[in-house]
Amino acid sequence: QKEVEQDPGPLSVPEGAIVSLNCTYSNSAFQYFMWYRQYSRKGPELLMYTYSSGNKEDGRFTAQVDKSSKYISLFIRDSQPSDSATYLCAMSARNQGGKLIFGQGTELSVKP
Amino acid sequence: EAGVVQSPRYKIIEKKQPVAFWCNPISGHNTLYWYRQNLGQGPELLIRYENEEAVDDSQLPKDRFSAERLKGVDSTLKIQPAELGDSAVYLCASSLDRRSETQYFGPGTRLLVL
Repeated sequence: QKEVEQDPGPLSVPEGAIVSLNCTYSNSAFQYFMWYRQYSRKGPELLMYTYSSGNKEDGRFTAQVDKSSKYISLFIRDSQPSDSATYLCAMSARNQGGKLIFGQGTELSVKP
Repeated sequence: EAGVVQSPRYKIIEKKQPVAFWCNPISGHNTLYWYRQNLGQGPELLIRYENEEAVDDSQLPKDRFSAERLKGVDSTLKIQPAELGDSAVYLCASSLDRRSETQYFGPGTRLLVL
């Protein structure tokens, strides 16, 4: 069993839809939770970063962490065609030197 | 400010040939990471450098992979000899230091081994 599980999709939604992306994990030592966006043939870019449990909002993006359930989510409101990319969740534990454990990535397509 | 620079962007080689990838991190970033990303998967850490010291290379296949970061700036990752299963995207990332949770990724080198 992988430490981080993520539904690979692909996920296709119409423009303006609310998108929900999720990851589950098994390592209770994870305390730092990130979402990266990766466009085709590009490197991942950090989208959201959350420490421990709670919610964080940045524009149309909201990240949620539920440590009790070992479950994290990324919500995208009013999705745009430019949001079409692969979304990767990533996690790390304290004192691991920033070693990130990534999910498989979910491929999202937003249709105009 | 320039981001993480990697070269080459693409490389096609025959199996058993050697190959090398180069990475120039963001200026001032002391920590450098090499990841491998297989098709349809998330990146997996190969090696992490703190300045010029390799502090985590547990996932690096040492029989054929080697890396160096001379002078604590640029880094090179080498594969010799390459195998078909090495076909992947090799990503370099950097962060300010090991306490920073924000890693900045380069565009990657896409390797195809025939």
